[in-house]
Amino acid sequence: AQSVTQLDSQVPVFEEAPVELRCNYSSSVSVYLFWYVQYPNQGLQLLLKYLSGSTLVKGINGFEAEFNKSQTSFHLRKPSVHISDTAEYFCAVSDNWSGGGADGLTFGKGTHLIIQP
Amino acid sequence: NAGVMQNPRHLVRRRGQEARLRCSPMKGHSHVYWYRQLPEEGLKFMVYLQKENIIDESGMPKERFSAEFPKEGPSILRIQQVVRGDSAAYFCASSPERGAPLRHFGPGTRLTVL
Repeated sequence: AQSVTQLDSQVPVFEEAPVELRCNYSSSVSVYLFWYVQYPNQGLQLLLKYLSGSTLVKGINGFEAEFNKSQTSFHLRKPSVHISDTAEYFCAVSDNWSGGGADGLTFGKGTHLIIQP
Repeated sequence: NAGVMQNPRHLVRRRGQEARLRCSPMKGHSHVYWYRQLPEEGLKFMVYLQKENIIDESGMPKERFSAEFPKEGPSILRIQQVVRGDSAAYFCASSPERGAPLRHFGPGTRLTVL
């Protein structure tokens, strides 16, 4: 069984400041890792993904995340945030091969990023 | 290339009525997943379907909820005799093959039960 923990339910940050949203996972197998963003009253949009290769992954809108296998973390970062980054951010983990369990994609509870002017 | 389409985007029902939510996957995708998002919660898996088959419905409530993905037409999530606790956002995602880790999500249907 796999699980995802997003330690912070809310993160307030001033505009143009850096931000880090934390994500830790547990899984007994190799994983794929994702960050999704959900703007108010909209669906989920893929921000970035780690499937294999370089552990530093760059996504859209200036976000990046680093896969740390030893710490089982996949924290999301942005060096300078903008008001438009205000949204809910979800970390998700998927088994390399979901095998018997058809879905295999587990979401964290989300972190609400609040950008203050 | 149109993405995943869901309709309606907003649905209001009174207790006891039926709710039908539709999902059209991306072109070329034959695998559909339904998720429910309750307030202040992440997405919870409900059901995984392939054309004409339910592959995994382990996340579906045992009563009142059903899903189908016919050979022609969209996937339908049906909730009979809705209750206030069914109020949530329901998201559909699609993928091109079984077990594919990358899924494309639709914009969701926000169900409000009065």
